[in-house]
Amino acid sequence: QKEVEQDPGPLSVPEGAIVSLNCTYSNSAFQYFMWYRQYSRKGPELLMYTYSSGNKEDGRFTAQVDKSSKYISLFIRDSQPSDSATYLCAMRDGNNRLAFGKGNQVVVIP
Amino acid sequence: DTAVSQTPKYLVTQMGNDKSIKCEQNLGHDTMYWYKQDSKKFLKIMFSYNNKELIINETVPNRFSPKSPDKAHLNLHINSLELGDSAVYFCASSQWGLAGRRQETQYFGPGTRLLVL
Repeated sequence: QKEVEQDPGPLSVPEGAIVSLNCTYSNSAFQYFMWYRQYSRKGPELLMYTYSSGNKEDGRFTAQVDKSSKYISLFIRDSQPSDSATYLCAMRDGNNRLAFGKGNQVVVIP
Repeated sequence: DTAVSQTPKYLVTQMGNDKSIKCEQNLGHDTMYWYKQDSKKFLKIMFSYNNKELIINETVPNRFSPKSPDKAHLNLHINSLELGDSAVYFCASSQWGLAGRRQETQYFGPGTRLLVL
């Protein structure tokens, strides 16, 4: 079993819909949880970061962490065509080692 | 100003050759990384250097040798290239040891697309 599981999709939604992405993990040592966005032919860029269970909002983006279930989610409200990208979940352990999910390709159709 | 830069952007080469990829960051960070992203977009860490010292060395063939001449540079040399080495290689940097969000922010370069024929 991989440390971080993320269903690669792809996921197509109409503009304005809510996008829901999630990852599960098996390593209890992971303490910090991140979502990265990667546009085609670009490097990943950090979108959201959290270290505790619960919700964190940043504009149209909400990151959710459930440490007891080892499950994290990213929600994008009022999705825009510019949100079309690959979204990667990432987790860091106490030794600063970062593990990524496979990434979800999201397409927002105008 | 480019924060993390890599050269070259594209690299097409024959099997068996030796090649190098260079990475430079101008963010003043003390930690740099090399990642490999395969054709299925899976991003996997290869190496990490903190203050020029190797701190993460994942299971990578010893044909791959990173070199960090100073904190702002981390180069990757690959010997005897194989077909399976074809991928996009990303360099990243971060500041280790700071509390809060900034510690987790790894800034990625644009990637080097390597194709081994």
